[in-house]
Amino acid sequence: ELKVEQNPLFLSMQEGKNYTIYCNYSTTSDRLYWYRQDPGKSLESLFVLLSNGAVKQEGRLMASLDTKARLSTLHITAAVHDLSATYFCASSLTYNNNDMRFGAGTRLTVKP
Amino acid sequence: DGGITQSPKYLFRKEGQNVTLSCEQNLNHDAMYWYRQDPGQGLRLIYYSQIVNDFQKGDIAEGYSVSREKKESFPLTVTSAQKNPTAFYLCASSMNIGAYGYTFGSGTRLTVV
Repeated sequence: ELKVEQNPLFLSMQEGKNYTIYCNYSTTSDRLYWYRQDPGKSLESLFVLLSNGAVKQEGRLMASLDTKARLSTLHITAAVHDLSATYFCASSLTYNNNDMRFGAGTRLTVKP
Repeated sequence: DGGITQSPKYLFRKEGQNVTLSCEQNLNHDAMYWYRQDPGQGLRLIYYSQIVNDFQKGDIAEGYSVSREKKESFPLTVTSAQKNPTAFYLCASSMNIGAYGYTFGSGTRLTVV
């Protein structure tokens, strides 16, 4: 069974600081996804990571994947208030995407 | 513009009633999914469907039913057998093959009154 674990679950940080969210998954998988959810809203796709060593960046967010360690990280650089949201990682075991499982989410609050 | 439409946005159900949540997509995606999200929690898979007229149970299917009569539509019925139905329900779709994430609808918030 594929399990996905994130930490921390809650993260409060000040604007301008850096931090990393960690995502561990339990079985060998070839893909990892990151999503963002604003309060009361749906999920928005951020990154798709498909192979060992993959790195994707969008603005102040950078995601990476280490399939040997079964670990993905989401690094936040110089946080701003607009990044406040809940971030989910998800992993699928197979090529056809039909078994995606989500982590519990990391609720990020960026304070001025 | 292509996307997924869920309706209604808010739904109130009395004890013992069945209710149906609508999910329609015009992305020509093969697969569709239903997830449940409880406050402060992650997403849990209820049902998914890879092709028309076929669907599989997810991790928490008890008390729910689905149908897939058209490629574009995947309605979810929350039956009276679901003991704790109050939650945020999200529908998603994807291609069956390929390295794509899911596209999510805007969600339906169901409350039992």
